[in-house]
Amino acid sequence: GENVEQHPSTLSVQEGDSAVIKCTYSDSASNYFPWYKQELGKGPQLIIDIRSNVGEKKDQRIAVTLNKTAKHFSLHITETQPEDSAVYFCAASIINDMRFGAGTRLTVKP
Amino acid sequence: NAGVMQNPRHLVRRRGQEARLRCSPMKGHSHVYWYRQLPEEGLKFMVYLQKENIIDESGMPKERFSAEFPKEGPSILRIQQVVRGDSAAYFCASSRGLGDTGELFFGEGSRLTVL
Repeated sequence: GENVEQHPSTLSVQEGDSAVIKCTYSDSASNYFPWYKQELGKGPQLIIDIRSNVGEKKDQRIAVTLNKTAKHFSLHITETQPEDSAVYFCAASIINDMRFGAGTRLTVKP
Repeated sequence: NAGVMQNPRHLVRRRGQEARLRCSPMKGHSHVYWYRQLPEEGLKFMVYLQKENIIDESGMPKERFSAEFPKEGPSILRIQQVVRGDSAAYFCASSRGLGDTGELFFGEGSRLTVL
């Protein structure tokens, strides 16, 4: 089955700096790559996603890039704010079968 | 437009008791997934169900754990004879399951504590 690895496990940045989280996946058939944000005590919420026919997608301060050849994808958050502090999960999916990375705890220091 | 509803939000059981966690998917969603999250850890896939069918249960322990998604009513994750190691947050997610849309919508989770 699909195996997703995520790095780093923790990330601390100063407010205003950028944050980058990277993931690799094992199954070249995966075609959907979402990113979820989980705040303390809550369920994960989708923040951005990308499909295998697209190399990059941006939504305001967040962007995701996908390299299908290398089987890796990344989340970029620019101009970080304290409210960006949370745990972020990447995932890779093949037709409704979604597997998650272990998560990255992002802390944005004011 | 209710989202994915899970209950109970918190459940306390003693070792050896049974735990039943319920999940009502979003309206129009026919696919349900259960994930387990241990403290400070990621989301571990347990089981993927459609109405009246288990599609993939490769992540679910072979013993004591079972899941169902009946034609009517919520999906149920059942843990028999709970042990302390079962203490975790259990998240349910649902999707429309059409083609490869893929997006999962998560509930707020059920937090099981085994004493």
